[in-house]
Order: sequence, then structure tokens, then C-alpha cells
Amino acid sequence: KAGVTQTPRYLIKTRGQQVTLSCSPISGHRSVSWYQQTPGQGLQFLFEYFSETQRNKGNFPGRFSGRQFSNSRSEMNVSTLELGDSALYLCASSRPEARETQYFGPGTRLLVL
Amino acid sequence: GQQLNQSPQSMFIQEGEDVSMNCTSSSIFNTWLWYKQDPGEGPVLLIALYKAGELTSNGRLTAQFGITRKDSFLNISASIPSDVGIYFCAGLSPGGTSYGKLTFGQGTILTVHP
Repeated sequence: KAGVTQTPRYLIKTRGQQVTLSCSPISGHRSVSWYQQTPGQGLQFLFEYFSETQRNKGNFPGRFSGRQFSNSRSEMNVSTLELGDSALYLCASSRPEARETQYFGPGTRLLVL
Repeated sequence: GQQLNQSPQSMFIQEGEDVSMNCTSSSIFNTWLWYKQDPGEGPVLLIALYKAGELTSNGRLTAQFGITRKDSFLNISASIPSDVGIYFCAGLSPGGTSYGKLTFGQGTILTVHP
């Protein structure tokens, strides 16, 4: 069974631009969560989607948004990029009956210049 | 908000030695998870613990869910060079609006000398 896939793997943007990251969950997994990982703050929860609905949200500004499609694929968008948004963005998927057991993708490394 | 205190922050050991790391929290968790992350990759799930007091093994790895539901430890026996990486604990809160959200520890950096 294929794991969680994320595209692109690496991205360079400049301040003020926006970016869209994509995540395809493991087949049969319908919950998708997004996390931001930085050296200073560690792994922090962004949001969780299930059945195309945001079910949970972390403490990030409104510039961070996401969505989920009917095939459970998810995208997250960051608008008006800031230098501090440079991070590894990780997506994790889980089965509906086991939301606590989350499997991570390889991440998208975003660098904001 | 909830915080997980993971220790030690780093460990330098010789191949063949046993390793122990732990996480503590001021809040209770329903589930404890242990992940390993290699450079440039996402965390890989090692062990999941679902009940207080549960002791679970996965090969050379053993983890326990503390009775108080506020702590967990991970042991690695007979370490090998490929055990090198960053180990994270993560907890899932009991319920309500935070259910499904994992809270992570700061990580333990493990270095194994051949």
C-alpha cells in the first residue's frame, strides 16, 4: 500500500507570494492533518480535515488555510508569505475509526526569501 | 496549552547499548505515539499506545503508556547505527474540540557510534 505523498517536495518563494501544497493520503484514509515543523517551535498542528470539512484547527493566522476534496486529497494554502513561514510542512493521514494513529508523508520543504 | 516535555534532548551512545527516553505532560492523554524522523523526511510511526499501563514492543523497541496517562517511555535495546535519528513522542488529548490533534515533544536526537 502506498504511503502518504506530498508535492512538491521543495519550494522556494518570496515574501508576499502565496503557495499551495498538496497531500494524497494512504488509500482508505479519510482524515488528513497538516503540521508545521520548524527548529524553534518543533511540530505544530495546523488543521485536520475529514469528509471535506475542517474538523480541527491549530493556533495559526488566517493566512493558513486548507481544503479537502471528495477523494480525500488535501491542499493547504499560505497567502502573503512571511520569512517565518519557512518550514517543513507535513501531512498525516489516518483511518476514520483510528484518528489517533497518524501516518506522515515526507513533507514539503518551503523556503521563503 | 498542552505541552510535552521530552528528555533527554540528545544522546550519544555506543553501538550495542540500550537507550531510554521519556515524555511527561501536565495533562492526560488518551493515546501516546512514538515516531522516528530521519533528516529531510517525515516522522515514521514506531509504536502506538492506547491504554494506561500498556506495554508494547516492536522488535528492539519497547514503549509504555504511564498509569497516570501523563507520561510514556521508549526503550531501544542493542542499538545499531541505523537507529540514528530524532525520536518524537506525541500525545492525543482525551476529546472535545482537540480530538485528532497531536501534541509533540521537542524530540530526542540519537547518535550511535559504531
